[in-house]
Amino acid sequence: GQNIDQPTEMTATEGAIVQINCTYQTSGFNGLFWYQQHAGEAPTFLSYNVLDGLEEKGRFSSFLSRSKGYSYLLLKELQMKDSASYLCAVRDSNYQLIWGAGTKLIIKP
Amino acid sequence: ETGVTQTPRHLVMGMTNKKSLKCEQHLGHNAMYWYKQSAKKPLELMFVYNFKEQTENNSVPSRFSPECPNSSHLFLHLHTLQPEDSALYLCASSQSAGQGANIQYFGAGTRLSVL
Repeated sequence: GQNIDQPTEMTATEGAIVQINCTYQTSGFNGLFWYQQHAGEAPTFLSYNVLDGLEEKGRFSSFLSRSKGYSYLLLKELQMKDSASYLCAVRDSNYQLIWGAGTKLIIKP
Repeated sequence: ETGVTQTPRHLVMGMTNKKSLKCEQHLGHNAMYWYKQSAKKPLELMFVYNFKEQTENNSVPSRFSPECPNSSHLFLHLHTLQPEDSALYLCASSQSAGQGANIQYFGAGTRLSVL
């Protein structure tokens, strides 16, 4: 079967750095996505990785290793507004997105 | 504002009611999706429309019936639902549903409660 694993919940301090990991086992691979979802709001696109390596976009970076079936989302200089759920999703061989259950990130002052 | 609008935002219905969820996208996309999001569970893909043609139906019960009259509008018709159908229903759109990045943009969802 297809599976995406990510931690259920993480806590970090304002101003710090946090890394949210995602491991996957899917039938084929056509890209990995990270989304942010605040409570009661739409998931919003953060990043897309299709090749191995690091993609940097401001305070957020996303890393991919296809051989290890592994990705992480790195958030720097954490702000209170970063408190949200972070969703990892992999596009499989049928171009469908397979989703993880999300990581709830709690930022403390 | 993501460019994808869903109405209503909240819906309470009895098991014998018939209701419809509406989704509209202003992004010029050709693919639209319905997802179900339950607490602490992954998003479940329900239906995919690509250029107005249904290309995916992930074993969804017939009490959920999608309709896509054009590339900008998507409906989900509901009838004789069960309490376990209570969830957040999300609509998304993307440029298309095939190769390429095809980033999906989501609406804020309809919170459905079935009594």
